[in-house]
Amino acid sequence: DQQVKQNSPSLSVQEGRISILNCDYTNSMFDYFLWYKKYPAEGPTFLISISSIKDKNEDGRFTVFLNKSAKHLSLHIVPSQPGDSAVYFCAVTQGGSEKLVFGKGTKLTVNP
Amino acid sequence: EAGVAQSPRYKIIEKRQSVAFWCNPISGHATLYWYQQILGQGPKLLIQFQNNGVVDDSQLPKDRFSAERLKGVDSTLKIQPAKLEDSAVYLCASSLDWPTAGNQPQHFGDGTRLSIL
Repeated sequence: DQQVKQNSPSLSVQEGRISILNCDYTNSMFDYFLWYKKYPAEGPTFLISISSIKDKNEDGRFTVFLNKSAKHLSLHIVPSQPGDSAVYFCAVTQGGSEKLVFGKGTKLTVNP
Repeated sequence: EAGVAQSPRYKIIEKRQSVAFWCNPISGHATLYWYQQILGQGPKLLIQFQNNGVVDDSQLPKDRFSAERLKGVDSTLKIQPAKLEDSAVYLCASSLDWPTAGNQPQHFGDGTRLSIL
């Protein structure tokens, strides 16, 4: 049973617009939520994270929102750039463990 | 800072053969992880080392997979014998310390793509 769900396999947006990637999780005990970006033939790269005690974290063009009551996480990219085209993975950790549990990923395409 | 190094980048073998992957983590990183990423899935943790001790190997198929990190630096992951379902990308990652409560990101290598014929 999937603990982390990314229900949209792909997303296409125009350059300059907002990209919103979504992630749902099942366990309210998860304590950190992370986003990783992956280009083809490369390993995942850490993008941004948020603690379960916060509801928003911002880093430049990237903002992560956490809605604990809905068990929902989202990543906003504003403005989107063609270089943002990649697969984005949502991941969670629990109880001080460094074990990352990943979603299946969403492929983002930003069109010039 | 040099990243996580993995070799080989690609490997093609026949089922029932054996294969080994090598990982050199970022210098000074005490924690090392091996993940398996099957096509269309997210990475799944196989084993986690803290220095040269195993922290978590609950998802490692121990009848065919083995891993070691003898001197607390480099690590090898071995599959013997390989099955068709082992076709995947094997990713190595490292982090500075453990536990870090999730705010110390894991740094990934580019992986080894394994194809089983």
